[in-house]
Amino acid sequence: GAVVSQHPSWVICKSGTSVKIECRSLDFQATTMFWYRQFPKQSLMLMATSNEGSKATYEQGVEKDKFLINHASLTLSTLTVTSAHPEDSSFYICSARPSRGAHTDTQYFGPGTRLTVL
Amino acid sequence: GQNIDQPTEMTATEGAIVQINCTYQTSGFNGLFWYQQHAGEAPTFLSYNVLDGLEEKGRFSSFLSRSKGYSYLLLKELQMKDSASYLCAVRDITGGSYIPTFGRGTSLIVHP
Repeated sequence: GAVVSQHPSWVICKSGTSVKIECRSLDFQATTMFWYRQFPKQSLMLMATSNEGSKATYEQGVEKDKFLINHASLTLSTLTVTSAHPEDSSFYICSARPSRGAHTDTQYFGPGTRLTVL
Repeated sequence: GQNIDQPTEMTATEGAIVQINCTYQTSGFNGLFWYQQHAGEAPTFLSYNVLDGLEEKGRFSSFLSRSKGYSYLLLKELQMKDSASYLCAVRDITGGSYIPTFGRGTSLIVHP
């Protein structure tokens, strides 16, 4: 149980285009999902907290107009990188925390999406 | 916020035991997590400690001392597949946040 999927697993796009990344909790409901970014040999950096049915909460320094987050259902959150630039190239990872059950304290991570902006 | 410190890299021999330490400073401690992350993959959950003591789960054990701001992850009977980065994450509820902050991770290299 507690499986989180992400799609796509990798994407290459041109500078100036937008890319949408999906995060799904497959066998549990998640009121709260999280979006992280990880550069090579660096730790996970939290970008934003995605709340079902309400606006996302962004960490300091993260542009909400550039990284659009939508959490329309209890099993799906999307991150759209708008007007992508080469410096946005990174490993984007989502995680989800179960809304109910014995593991509401634990975050379960998706497999990540490798974004390369040319 | 939290100040989380872990060694950058460790090496060990297959079949041996290795202990990865994590120290932290926080005002509103509310749990410590250990995750394993293989290169190019997302982290996978290993353990969660919120009370002092040792939690054993198969070959992996995690220890916590809240008074010392210290935790360790113990890996026994090391296997080559244990080569990965091990992330310590601490949750601080000061300010009402329940989101853990991740350390930089410890890269463990297991050699034959």
